[in-house]
Amino acid sequence: GENVEQHPSTLSVQEGDSAVIKCTYSDSASNYFPWYKQELGKGPQLIIDIRSNVGEKKDQRIAVTLNKTAKHFSLHITETQPEDSAVYFCATRQPFGNEKLTFGTGTRLTIIP
Amino acid sequence: EAQVTQNPRYLITVTGKKLTVTCSQNMNHEYMSWYRQDPGLGLRQIYYSMNVEVTDKGDVPEGYKVSRKEKRNFPLILESPSPNQTSLYFCASRPGYSADTQYFGPGTRLTVL
Repeated sequence: GENVEQHPSTLSVQEGDSAVIKCTYSDSASNYFPWYKQELGKGPQLIIDIRSNVGEKKDQRIAVTLNKTAKHFSLHITETQPEDSAVYFCATRQPFGNEKLTFGTGTRLTIIP
Repeated sequence: EAQVTQNPRYLITVTGKKLTVTCSQNMNHEYMSWYRQDPGLGLRQIYYSMNVEVTDKGDVPEGYKVSRKEKRNFPLILESPSPNQTSLYFCASRPGYSADTQYFGPGTRLTVL
């Protein structure tokens, strides 16, 4: 089955700096790659996603890049703000079966004011 | 407001005492699933349902049951809880199994003594 590895597990950055979280996956059939943000006491919320036919997608301060050959994708947050502090999860989905999401182990991002 | 709700949010129980965690969505979604979140393991799918009366096992179904008698509700049942089921549980839904955006409930923190 699919295996998703996420790094780093914790990340601290100064407010205003950029943060990058990287995920690698094992199943070359994966075709959908979402990123979720989980704030304290809440459920994960989709913040950005990308499909396998696209290399990069940007939404204001966040962007996701995908390298299908190397089987990795990354979340980039620029001009970080205190409200970006949260746990971030990457996930993949395969186009068969119940098309379940396979999640990474999460990255706790802390923005230092 | 479109949302997934779960009850209870917090539960402390003892080994062997049957319990049910309810999940309800008001978005008319066909696909619903349950996850458990454990430190260092990310989110793992317990059970899923593609529609009313259609349920199937996810990656970690042992010790759990589900039912889908109505489209909006997807309860998680622990017939005889054990301490290794102490975890944070999330219900999720999306329009169909191949739809992108998945919505998560706020979570239920379960402790089994």
